[in-house]
Amino acid sequence: AAGVIQSPRHLIKEKRETATLKCYPIPRHDTVYWYQQGPGQDPQFLISFYEKMQSDKGSIPDRFSAQQFSDYHSELNMSSLELGDSALYFCASSPRLQGPEGGYTFGSGTRLTVV
Amino acid sequence: AQSVSQHNHHVILSEAASLELGCNYSYGGTVNLFWYVQYPGQHLQLLLKYFSGDPLVKGIKGFEAEFIKSKFSFNLRKPSVQWSDTAEYFCAVNALGGKLIFGQGTELSVKP
Repeated sequence: AAGVIQSPRHLIKEKRETATLKCYPIPRHDTVYWYQQGPGQDPQFLISFYEKMQSDKGSIPDRFSAQQFSDYHSELNMSSLELGDSALYFCASSPRLQGPEGGYTFGSGTRLTVV
Repeated sequence: AQSVSQHNHHVILSEAASLELGCNYSYGGTVNLFWYVQYPGQHLQLLLKYFSGDPLVKGIKGFEAEFIKSKFSFNLRKPSVQWSDTAEYFCAVNALGGKLIFGQGTELSVKP
């Protein structure tokens, strides 16, 4: 069965650079959720999109932005990277804001290292 | 605001020992509860979930959890752990709009 696809799997950037992470949801899922998990930390909700519109916002820094495209994939753009942005970023998808009730599946994540 | 609290930060057990990881949540309405496992360097995998009905839910790999509404708890159990259960375990509750609120995680180390 198709799963949530994230790219790239690993990314190394220098401070003050920018990074773009991509998330491709499961087919027919129109809602995407982004999470950040720092080293030894629990996952923290960043932002979600439903039908290409932002549906909820969590602890996402102003330096980050995200969007969802017409094919429902989503991109997380991170600018002016800081060492503290080093983390595992993963996304999940579901149909129609149903979240876990709708078959929530996590992607494998993108491990971002800022040096 | 919703929150999830896991009692144990790090648990160390020997193989065949029984496991119980505590989880308490704070939320006034109907909740859906989850336990996820994260093996080293890997992504989150769903162990089990509770939406409604029988408060004792069974998941994969021999895990089960009991929802006790009066105690706002959803503890994870396994009668006999294996070395391969070494991982981090996260309790979570879903909030409005589908996002998940996670607990701080419990690192389980099983000694062979």
